[in-house]
Amino acid sequence: GNSVTQMEGPVTLSEEAFLTINCTYTATGYPSLFWYVQYPGEGLQLLLKATKADDKGSNKGFEATYRKETTSFHLEKGSVQVSDSAVYFCALSVKGSQGNLIFGKGTKLSVKP
Amino acid sequence: DAGITQSPRHKVTETGTPVTLRCHQTENHRYMYWYRQDPGHGLRLIHYSYGVKDTDKGEVSDGYSVSRSKTEDFLLTLESATSSQTSVYFCAITILNTIYFGEGSWLTVV
Repeated sequence: GNSVTQMEGPVTLSEEAFLTINCTYTATGYPSLFWYVQYPGEGLQLLLKATKADDKGSNKGFEATYRKETTSFHLEKGSVQVSDSAVYFCALSVKGSQGNLIFGKGTKLSVKP
Repeated sequence: DAGITQSPRHKVTETGTPVTLRCHQTENHRYMYWYRQDPGHGLRLIHYSYGVKDTDKGEVSDGYSVSRSKTEDFLLTLESATSSQTSVYFCAITILNTIYFGEGSWLTVV
C-alpha cells in the first residue's frame, strides 16, 4: 500500500541553524510529493511540491528533491528563523486516487532565538 | 487563499447528539474532501466528493456521512457523536492536482 514515514519530533533548533526533516515513502505507481506546514491554531498550507523524479520543490527558503532511487523527499532549509516554528507534514498522492493525500504523522519544529 | 470557508470553526457537543460541519467553496471546484487530524496520526481522509451527489469513503469513514447537493457545499455529519470523534476537521479542495485546505473546525464531544 501507499505510506509516508517522516522523522519523529519534536525538533528544536537555534535560529540560523540548518534544518533537515526526513521523509520516505512507499507507493504504487509514480506519486506526487508534497510538504505542508501548519502554524499553531491554523490550517495546513502547501509549502512545496514535486511531481516527478529529480524535481526540486522550493518555497520560502525551503527545498526538497524527489529522489526515486531512495524513495525520499527530505525537507531542508539552510538557516531557520523563529517564525519557521510549526508542524511540517510530508504527503503523497498517487495518480488515479482522485488526489487523495496520504500523510506522514508530522514533525514539530521549534526554533529558539 | 483557496476560497474555502468552514463552519462552525469551534463546537462543543454532547455524546449522542448529531453534528453537521459545513464546507463552502466559491470557485466551483469538482473535488472536495473531509479530513480529520489527531495527534500521532497526521491527517486521515474521511470522505470525498467528485461532484454533486457523487461521494465516496475514505480511510476513516465509520460514524460519518456526507452530502453534496450543490457544487459549492460539502457537508459532514456525525449522526451520533462519540468522544472518539473529538478532533480537528479539515475540508479541502483540489486545484490543478494539488490539495488546499480550509482553516479547520475544532470539535469537542463531551
